[in-house]
Amino acid sequence: NAGVTQTPKFQVLKTGQSMTLQCAQDMNHNSMYWYRQDPGMGLRLIYYSASEGTTDKGEVPNGYNVSRLNKREFSLRLESAAPSQTSVYFCASSDAGTAPYEQYFGPGTRLTVT
Amino acid sequence: RKEVEQDPGPFNVPEGATVAFNCTYSNSASQSFFWYRQDCRKEPKLLMSVYSSGNEDGRFTAQLNRASQYISLLIRDSKLSDSATYLCVVTVTGFQKLVFGTGTRLLVSP
Repeated sequence: NAGVTQTPKFQVLKTGQSMTLQCAQDMNHNSMYWYRQDPGMGLRLIYYSASEGTTDKGEVPNGYNVSRLNKREFSLRLESAAPSQTSVYFCASSDAGTAPYEQYFGPGTRLTVT
Repeated sequence: RKEVEQDPGPFNVPEGATVAFNCTYSNSASQSFFWYRQDCRKEPKLLMSVYSSGNEDGRFTAQLNRASQYISLLIRDSKLSDSATYLCVVTVTGFQKLVFGTGTRLLVSP
């Protein structure tokens, strides 16, 4: 099992460009999450999807959109990138029904917006 | 006030030392508690859950004090491989939304 995979691993964008970060999990988890991690700020939840077909805002959703394409895939889109969105983005998944809320993380995408 | 607060460190200890980290949380409705470990430039991974009665996993011991709203992690006989950032994590009732502390950095030296 690959667990949680993310693409791309690195990306450099110019201000105003758009891009989609891809995430997939092969653990048959119901719930998926997108976080960003900035120095001194910890991990902050951007959006989450409790189950296929639902998405909800987290702590810092402005400037982002998400799509839960199916049970496996959860993408994060930046419509018009800004330097403030320079960060490391982590996707995670969990099986809300059984695990004690353990989340499994992907390797991250390092995004720089110039 | 941050929901979860940790001393950022770094804590510099020699191999074999015992080191303890504390974490405080502000929401008294928090239900579940965890310690995650994050290596440099890697993703966070669950180290252990924290139970009210306290729990131990090898060299690691976690404690929860609900009255004072803090969680602790004790590492005995530190190894070089323990060098990492330790994230304190809590969940709030109703959904499995995790709230992360900013982490405490541990450096174990030979």
